[in-house]
Amino acid sequence: ETGVTQTPRHLVMGMTNKKSLKCEQHLGHNAMYWYKQSAKKPLELMFVYNFKEQTENNSVPSRFSPECPNSSHLFLHLHTLQPEDSALYLCASSRQTGQGREEQYFGPGTRLTVT
Amino acid sequence: ILNVEQSPQSLHVQEGDSTNFTCSFPSSNFYALHWYRWETAKSPEALFVMTLNGDEKKKGRISATLNTKEGYSYLYIKGSQPEDSATYLCAARGNAGNMLTFGGGTRLMVKP
Repeated sequence: ETGVTQTPRHLVMGMTNKKSLKCEQHLGHNAMYWYKQSAKKPLELMFVYNFKEQTENNSVPSRFSPECPNSSHLFLHLHTLQPEDSALYLCASSRQTGQGREEQYFGPGTRLTVT
Repeated sequence: ILNVEQSPQSLHVQEGDSTNFTCSFPSSNFYALHWYRWETAKSPEALFVMTLNGDEKKKGRISATLNTKEGYSYLYIKGSQPEDSATYLCAARGNAGNMLTFGGGTRLMVKP
């Protein structure tokens, strides 16, 4: 257990569906991240939130919409996805101190399949 | 965004063998280098975070070194055990922003 939970663990959705991924951290961290891992590709950062404010958006299409209501919760709202969006979506958190050496704690991921 | 490369992509070793793999990154605009271990069906787990040239860190049988001038880091595993089987990821952070760029990982399989 890393202290970061994600639900659901598996999700199958059609291209016209709307769904949300949820991430919760119990570590008192102030930064949260969404990553995507597609088959045979490196882990790719999508979004960064620091104290609930989005600080990084790595050119992610608007069909992915993040939400961070507080420092412990992070959502990824999905709508009109494409089959190529099928991937493992990982959430992570860290305690940002401004020194830039903070390790990230990852959740177990949501395996998303878009049909 | 940095370009981070890892080699080899995969590695099979016998139990008891020592092994090492490489992470390379651009030496300009470098701030920090992370190593993570990712076991199948589990979450990636942080091993080390290094920032200074010549840094060397150790955790049990696993150690890592950092050369920021030439842009590489080595991860060493001494006396590999089957439980070391995992994908080892490195990630680099540049000077600007809060983004980690990950390499493709090295998948290690240790045969008993």
